[in-house]
Amino acid sequence: DAGITQSPRHKVTETGTPVTLRCHQTENHRYMYWYRQDPGHGLRLIHYSYGVKDTDKGEVSDGYSVSRSKTEDFLLTLESATSSQTSVYFCAISEASGTNDVLTFGAGSRLTVL
Amino acid sequence: AQKITQTQPGMFVQEKEAVTLDCTYDTSDQSYGLFWYKQPSSGEMIFLIYQGSYDEQNATEGRYSLNFQKARKSANLVISASQLGDSAMYFCAMREGNAGNMLTFGGGTRLMVKP
Repeated sequence: DAGITQSPRHKVTETGTPVTLRCHQTENHRYMYWYRQDPGHGLRLIHYSYGVKDTDKGEVSDGYSVSRSKTEDFLLTLESATSSQTSVYFCAISEASGTNDVLTFGAGSRLTVL
Repeated sequence: AQKITQTQPGMFVQEKEAVTLDCTYDTSDQSYGLFWYKQPSSGEMIFLIYQGSYDEQNATEGRYSLNFQKARKSANLVISASQLGDSAMYFCAMREGNAGNMLTFGGGTRLMVKP
């Protein structure tokens, strides 16, 4: 298995609280991504990183921030969680960003915001 | 407009039969890549097969093949000799050069294999 670890795997929190999800990789891949999965929507890109301290927004970035201080770690932060952010969050990695580069996914983190 | 459309929310197939999962895409880019992922009930996303826009041959990986019809903008996944373990969600996805090569997913098709 590709070395991608997401933590926590499950979290229940209350509206208005901050939440941080962590993605750790051991593959030394340059690109890291955060997606959310909701029924009927497939996976939608939240943010991605193309290097240490280099990040950019995806399709559904409102309410989320990210940081990447080391190649191996990519953090997703919900500053003030809302019920609409209840979802399954997937981290993914790729060596490069060409049209043929495959994304490898972590196991997912299920977040419930009450 | 939807970039990736999977029109079959759910499908049944008899064990040992072949099944085709539909995927149509929308892009004005000449260079793009098409991917299929499988998500079993355990939740992980498993890469199955890739097709490049310039590839003349349809991609194959074991029991999986991709029926690529460029003019129709379709990239259907064909699973031959279905097995019970093929029961899962299947997602079609695309990377386009003019979208920064980000991977965009369709809504998925749930395949159920009957014994």
